[in-house]
Amino acid sequence: DAGVIQSPRHEVTEMGQEVTLRCKPISGHDYLFWYRQTMMRGLELLIYFNNNVPIDDSGMPEDRFSAKMPNASFSTLKIQPSEPRDSAVYFCASSFMGEGYGYTFGSGTRLTVV
Amino acid sequence: AQSVTQLGSHVSVSEGALVLLRCNYSSSVPPYLFWYVQYPNQGLQLLLKYTSAATLVKGINGFEAEFKKSETSFHLTKPSAHMSDAAEYFCAVSGYSSASKIIFGSGTRLSIRP
Repeated sequence: DAGVIQSPRHEVTEMGQEVTLRCKPISGHDYLFWYRQTMMRGLELLIYFNNNVPIDDSGMPEDRFSAKMPNASFSTLKIQPSEPRDSAVYFCASSFMGEGYGYTFGSGTRLTVV
Repeated sequence: AQSVTQLGSHVSVSEGALVLLRCNYSSSVPPYLFWYVQYPNQGLQLLLKYTSAATLVKGINGFEAEFKKSETSFHLTKPSAHMSDAAEYFCAVSGYSSASKIIFGSGTRLSIRP
């Protein structure tokens, strides 16, 4: 398996623009998680899905953030409009939770909003 | 509810010396416990996990951790540090439930002195 695949690896955008981050989880995994990592706040769980259904989005910072999982092999995290304080590394992770395997993380998307 | 506390945001050891990274957890149910490693500009990688089998868990790259219920600890050790061990290390906890999410600590940055 190729692991969790995120795209793009780097994204630089201007304030006010829409940004879409993409994630392909490991085949067969039934949980998908979106995290944000910054120096100030560390790793923050934004939202997670089970069987494509959003379970907990309490970590989504504002209505500018939205996430979808239209099928078992694809998820998006969208920020509209983007702001400089959204600059961070965004990680996607997937898991087959029932067996305590832990998460497999993607390599992340480094977002810079200027 | 679960939580983890990592003692020391930065640990520095000499090459060849013992590595000890401390983690204490809090959990209202029997926990799963994890250590993850993050190398620069990469995602998190699972080092090892405890899932109620042996209390001494061996992981990749010569690391191991011991689950001590009486001390609510899950410290990470390696007998002899190597330069390539320089990275950020995260302790994490989840409960015995398919609905559990993993809660990450704030991380410990390990530096290796030549």
